[in-house]
Amino acid sequence: ETGVTQSPTHLIKTRGQQVTLRCSSQSGHNTVSWYQQALGQGPQFIFQYYREEENGRGNFPPRFSGLQFPNYSSELNVNALELDDSALYLCASSLVAGEAFFGQGTRLTVV
Amino acid sequence: QKEVEQNSGPLSVPEGAIASLNCTYSDRGSQSFFWYRQYSGKSPELIMFIYSNGDKEDGRFTAQLNKASQYVSLLIRDSQPSDSATYLCAVNNGVTGGGNKLTFGTGTQLKVEL
Repeated sequence: ETGVTQSPTHLIKTRGQQVTLRCSSQSGHNTVSWYQQALGQGPQFIFQYYREEENGRGNFPPRFSGLQFPNYSSELNVNALELDDSALYLCASSLVAGEAFFGQGTRLTVV
Repeated sequence: QKEVEQNSGPLSVPEGAIASLNCTYSDRGSQSFFWYRQYSGKSPELIMFIYSNGDKEDGRFTAQLNKASQYVSLLIRDSQPSDSATYLCAVNNGVTGGGNKLTFGTGTQLKVEL
C-alpha cells in the first residue's frame, strides 16, 4: 500500500458529460501528478500540482483541468468527455522532485 | 520517435532464472530513471530507481544505467511466478517548476514459467 487513495475506483459516463476524479496524497508528500493510461500503453503525464499551482502539463487539451487543496489532495476534472477518454487515471504522490507513488487508479469508461 | 522504448514481450523465463528487461531513452538530459511493476488490472508499483551510472542493487533486483548509451535495464534474479507482470520503464524529463514528469515506455510483459 502506498498511502495514495483515489476515488471512485470505477466510473461510467456518457460522451459529452463531465467527470471529477479525486486523489489523497501520501502523508508528507506535497506534489500530485495525474497520468492517463490507455489499454496496452504506458501512463501519459497529464499535469502536476505543487503548492496548489499547476507545475507542468503534458500534451492534453484544456478540457483536462485540476486543482490541489491546502492538504495536498487533488482533483482531476474532464469536461466534454470523449470516447477516447476511456482509460485508467492514475494519481501519483511525491515530494516535488522525489519518487512517485501511485494510487490504485480510477477506471473511467465513456459510452 | 518514441521517447522511451521497451520491447513489449512477452519475455518468458523459467522459475529461478535471471530476467533481463531493457529500456532506451532519447532525452540525453534525463536525470533519473524508474522501474515500475504493474500487475494486470492494477496500478504501477515502484520497485527501483537509479540516478547515477552503474549498478544499483535491492534484494533480487538490480538496476543498471548507462547514460552515454542512453540505456537502463532491470535484472531480476531467482525469478518467481509472482514476478509475472508488466514492467514499465520511466524516465524523468522534469517540469519547469522543478518537479518530476515521468515519461513511460509501453512496458515489457514478463512471464515466469514453472
